[in-house]
Amino acid sequence: DIQMTQSPSTLSASVGDRVTITCRASQSASNWLAWYQQKPGKAPKLLIYRASSLESGVPSRFSGSGSGTEFTLTISSLQPDDFATYYCQQCYSYPYTFGQGTKLEIK
Amino acid sequence: EVQLVESGGGLIQPGGSLRLSCAASGFTVNSNYMSWVRQAPGKGLEWVSIIYSGGSAYYADSVKGRFTISRDNSNNTVYLQMNSLRVEDTAVYYCARGLITSGGLFDYWGQGTLVTVSS
Repeated sequence: DIQMTQSPSTLSASVGDRVTITCRASQSASNWLAWYQQKPGKAPKLLIYRASSLESGVPSRFSGSGSGTEFTLTISSLQPDDFATYYCQQCYSYPYTFGQGTKLEIK
Repeated sequence: EVQLVESGGGLIQPGGSLRLSCAASGFTVNSNYMSWVRQAPGKGLEWVSIIYSGGSAYYADSVKGRFTISRDNSNNTVYLQMNSLRVEDTAVYYCARGLITSGGLFDYWGQGTLVTVSS
């Protein structure tokens, strides 16, 4: 199984900050990776797919990069609506696996 | 507009069975890969199962042999039959649609249905 490890697990930041979340795969996932945002009591929302493609309707302050075993999600200027938990997910091989999540908190 | 609506969750004793349904609208379920993803209370996301457009299916090891994913094209609905339920199967179960270009990445999710396995 490909294990996905996110860092940090918790991130405290302020509105307007630039933040980066990292996702490392235990073996190559090529670019078969997505990033999701989840708010309490809600379903996840797709932000980035194929490592760097922005999902339609998602603000351009979100961007993704990486391939192979290291991936990053960057939010260029945090907005109040961005405080949530973020997950990466690989679909390169079965079983599909998610990172443990990164909770983005208001500083 | 694409919508996914799950139903069928509830309280069930260990060893029991439940069938979850995911009613789709705005697209046809046999044109996309469809998955089930679960989230235990306070925990992260766990992929459970996928059904391909052609009907092939794959499962997480934790549910293999106990859960079965299926599809009814006439009702545009995906199902998850869950047998021999365990306490550790307690979770919110989400139905998710795979992207056309990357069937294992999910662009639409339902609101989830809670399954509680407890005596």
